[in-house]
Amino acid sequence: ETGVTQTPRHLVMGMTNKKSLKCEQHLGHNAMYWYKQSAKKPLELMFVYSLEERVENNSVPSRFSPECPNSSHLFLHLHTLQPEDSALYLCASSQGVAGGFTDTQYFGPGTRLTVL
Amino acid sequence: TQLLEQSPQFLSIQEGENLTVYCNSSSVFSSLQWYRQEPGEGPVLLVTVVTGGEVKKLKRLTFQFGDARKDSSLHITAAQPGDTGLYLCAGKRNNNDMRFGAGTRLTVKP
Repeated sequence: ETGVTQTPRHLVMGMTNKKSLKCEQHLGHNAMYWYKQSAKKPLELMFVYSLEERVENNSVPSRFSPECPNSSHLFLHLHTLQPEDSALYLCASSQGVAGGFTDTQYFGPGTRLTVL
Repeated sequence: TQLLEQSPQFLSIQEGENLTVYCNSSSVFSSLQWYRQEPGEGPVLLVTVVTGGEVKKLKRLTFQFGDARKDSSLHITAAQPGDTGLYLCAGKRNNNDMRFGAGTRLTVKP
């Protein structure tokens, strides 16, 4: 495996379900990110982790809970989601935190989430 | 109102045509990036521009950063079906806040 991988690629869940999204980067990077991409809206940065510590949390509802057990893996735990949470969830990684634009972000293919 | 406005939102052209898409803001950015996202994939970085007035070329793609560092354009010459995708701009402000536009969805028909 190379680059940034995400599983599952597609997920359908009910509002009472609990599920988790997984991201793995094979690039030796130190920073990882979760983004939400909804139709016709800009990418929304949700969480940033640098060296396994959360450095940014952009007012994301508590029904989204991130976990970064090591610098290669990032999870997004989902609980009691709403239909408006349906979107493409993208994971990215970079060598350093993207405060410096020299740290290019590499994105995974995303998980297409549908909440019924 | 979005921080970065991209236009047009949708663009459908024939192979061989030229096109320009725009990324505009009232904010000043220390740098700006363009990404292309193909269906079923994540965005892939095309270019980073950091100097006002800067022009960068990537084969048939020409990127320009506005003199005031508030806007940018992407021009594609002789578009090909392989150029089809969602083009996103992302700007970083001096407080390290990075924001994306909503994108221009380009379709190039053979």
